[in-house]
Amino acid sequence: GESVGLHLPTLSVQEGDNSIINCAYSNSASDYFIWYKQESGKGPQFIIDIRSNMDKRQGQRVTVLLNKTVKHLSLQIAATQPGDSAVYFCAEPTLYTLTFGKGTMLLVSP
Amino acid sequence: DTGVSQNPRHKITKRGQNVTFRCDPISEHNRLYWYRQTLGQGPEFLTYFQNEAQLEKSRLLSDRFSAERPKGSFSTLEIQRTEQGDSAMYLCASSFREGEQFFGPGTRLTVL
Repeated sequence: GESVGLHLPTLSVQEGDNSIINCAYSNSASDYFIWYKQESGKGPQFIIDIRSNMDKRQGQRVTVLLNKTVKHLSLQIAATQPGDSAVYFCAEPTLYTLTFGKGTMLLVSP
Repeated sequence: DTGVSQNPRHKITKRGQNVTFRCDPISEHNRLYWYRQTLGQGPEFLTYFQNEAQLEKSRLLSDRFSAERPKGSFSTLEIQRTEQGDSAMYLCASSFREGEQFFGPGTRLTVL
């Protein structure tokens, strides 16, 4: 069925490195995606979103890239910090809900 | 703090007991959502309210689950005759439009 999924369950990086978290989707009609960050014991927190009329969107230290041809999006975090350690989800809004993928855990070592 | 709040944060109960969770959304948000999240998984949609009307329910929401939003503000989620499989984090979110949802800290339920 239609789904939003992630390639890697865990990503370990050194502090200061750039991190790239990937997400694949299957519905070619999907036109809006959101990245969420979830720290241990907390609810998901909005990071950045992107609509299908864009290929790239930048925030503070984060960039989301959308490749509609291969139905893939990525979240890039520049100069990763220990506070970035969390689980990252891509999510697709539908009429009533958000459909989340399984998540990627980002571990940042000092 | 003007974010989404949930109470209690943690609940431990025995199998067969009933539990009720409360969610207070961001005040100007008319949309409210409940999700369930198990370890290592993303949140799974349970139900959606627009104001006081419950407009959508997931097939995950069995007959033992009931949610209300009587005045279009706070919401409650009740689980009757809890089972061990109900152990999870129950998340509430609110929004004023489709798309971005603002999540509360969740209620972690443990059924012994």
